[in-house]
Amino acid sequence: DAGVTQSPTHLIKTRGQQVTLRCSPISGHKSVSWYQQVLGQGPQFIFQYYEKEERGRGNFPDRFSARQFPNYSSELNVNALLLGDSALYLCASNIWGEDDEQFFGPGTRLTVL
Amino acid sequence: RKEVEQDPGPFNVPEGATVAFNCTYSNSASQSFFWYRQDCRKEPKLLMSVYSSGNEDGRFTAQLNRASQYISLLIRDSKLSDSATYLCVVTIYGGSQGNLIFGKGTKLSVKP
Repeated sequence: DAGVTQSPTHLIKTRGQQVTLRCSPISGHKSVSWYQQVLGQGPQFIFQYYEKEERGRGNFPDRFSARQFPNYSSELNVNALLLGDSALYLCASNIWGEDDEQFFGPGTRLTVL
Repeated sequence: RKEVEQDPGPFNVPEGATVAFNCTYSNSASQSFFWYRQDCRKEPKLLMSVYSSGNEDGRFTAQLNRASQYISLLIRDSKLSDSATYLCVVTIYGGSQGNLIFGKGTKLSVKP
């Protein structure tokens, strides 16, 4: 079975631009979470969606937004990019349940120049 | 104080060595605890969950001390393939309900 997939794998943008990152969860998984991992740090939680509703939001500015589609795929949008937004953006999916493991995709590496 | 703190290392050990990683967390309401492994430029992958009674998976042993808010990971008989960054993770909900809180990670390098 395919794991979590993300696109694109790499992206280069300039300050002030907008970017959209995409994630397809493992088949049967209805929950998708987004994390940002800056070099040398652990991943930091951005959003979680379950059944197309936002279930959690981390401490990120309103420039960050996301949505989940009826097929449970998800998009993360970042507006007005800053140099500090350069990071690996990870998507994780899971079924939903108290002890259910989250499975991570390979990530999208965003560089803001 | 950071929510999850780890010694960043790096830990450089020879093959066959035993190595221990420590982690502390600040939120006493934390309910679920994990160790993830992340290879260079790859995604994190669950290594093992951590239970109050302690748990073992082959060469890996995890311990949790809720009173001290302390988590540990012991790797015995280190292999070259164990070289990676080990991330300590806690959540105040079950593992599925978002908001996994990661430490910065401890880098392990196992040498021949």
